[in-house]
Formats: sequence, C-alpha cells, structure tokens
Amino acid sequence: AQSVAQPEDQVNVAEGNPLTVKCTYSVSGNPYLFWYVQYPNRGLQFLLKYITGDNLVKGSYGFEAEFNKSQTSFHLKKPSALVSDSALYFCAVREAGANNLFFGTGTRLTVIP
Amino acid sequence: GAVVSQHPSRVICKSGTSVKIECRSLDFQATTMFWYRQFPKQSLMLMATSNEGSKATYEQGVEKDKFLINHASLTLSTLTVTSAHPEDSSFYICSARISSGVVSSPYEQYFGPGTRLTVT
Repeated sequence: AQSVAQPEDQVNVAEGNPLTVKCTYSVSGNPYLFWYVQYPNRGLQFLLKYITGDNLVKGSYGFEAEFNKSQTSFHLKKPSALVSDSALYFCAVREAGANNLFFGTGTRLTVIP
Repeated sequence: GAVVSQHPSRVICKSGTSVKIECRSLDFQATTMFWYRQFPKQSLMLMATSNEGSKATYEQGVEKDKFLINHASLTLSTLTVTSAHPEDSSFYICSARISSGVVSSPYEQYFGPGTRLTVT
C-alpha cells in the first residue's frame, strides 16, 4: 500500500528565511516522488520530482527537495522564501509500476512580509 | 510544458440536473486520465482512472452510475455528474499522464485548472 504523510497543516515563515515543508512516504517498492503547488481555486502545478539518481532534485521557482531513503522522506526546501510562495503544497508518491498518484493532505505555507 | 485544460471552470446547476465537465490535453496524447475531487481544505481524492477506449476504473465508494466518465480520444475525457445534489458540490480536477507527444516524460501527471461545481 502507498501512503504519504505531511505532518504539518500549516507552516509560517518570514520572507527571506529558508523554508522546509515536510513529507514522508510509504511504498512497497521503489518510489516516484513529486511536489505540487496549488493556488486558490486553481489546479495543481508541478514543482519537481524524484525518479532516480541524485537525491537532491531542483525544481521550479527555486524549490528543491531531498530524497532520503533511510528516513523515507522527501522534504521540500527553498533557501529564501518569497511572499508569492504562499500557497498549498502537496507531496505525492507513486510506486514504480503503479498507475496512481497518492497525495498527502497538503501543507499551507504562509510567507510573512 | 504539457497543458491540460478543463471546461467549464465554474458551473452552478440546480439539484436533479446533470453537468458535464471536459478535460483536454492540449499538446500531448494521454492514454490515461484521472479524475479527482477536492473538498475545502482537504487533499485530492482519486475518483476514477480512465483509459482511452475502455471503461473507467472507479475507486471504492465512488458511484459509477452517478459519475459517468468517457475517455473517447487520446486528448479528451469527460466527467458527467448525473442527477446532481448539493453534496456533489466540490472542486473537480482532472489529470493526464503522457503517452506520447511533445513532452516525453512518462512519470509526471499534469493537472487541469479544476472545475468548481455548485449544486443549488
């Protein structure tokens, strides 16, 4: 069975500070991991993915995430937060060979000016 | 990048009527499309997976006779909410996985902008 946990419903960070949005996952086989961002009344926008290779993946808008197999984590990070980064962030996992994405419950990021 | 469109973006209908939502992949072919439902402040719940030319696979608890899905071509899937009731009011999001076309990654799902359905 596949599952994703985002332990924080809400993350607040001051503009210019580094941000981290946490994600842990559980799959039986090899994971494909994704981060998506959602703005109000909009669909999901793809940020980045980990499929294989380097554990540190870089994505859109200066975001990056680190795949940690031993901790089964895929935390989203950005060195310097912008007010415009305020949105709802979803972590998702798909097991290699499976068809469906499983989403976490989302973390609302608020960047305070 | 790959673009998925949905139409309409918002729809208000009366209880008992049916509503059709279209999902199109604009610059790629999508063998598989997914329909999700999102309640306020909650995550996306997969409703069904549709494959072009075959019947959709519904998740447990989703009524297939109420949520009719047709994936008639590699670029179009439709979701029809039949005999809608107020509890069907929600944000419906479609997604497509690439099978061929301009963008070659087989791993990513691309999401439409969503359709806000309100049943009065």
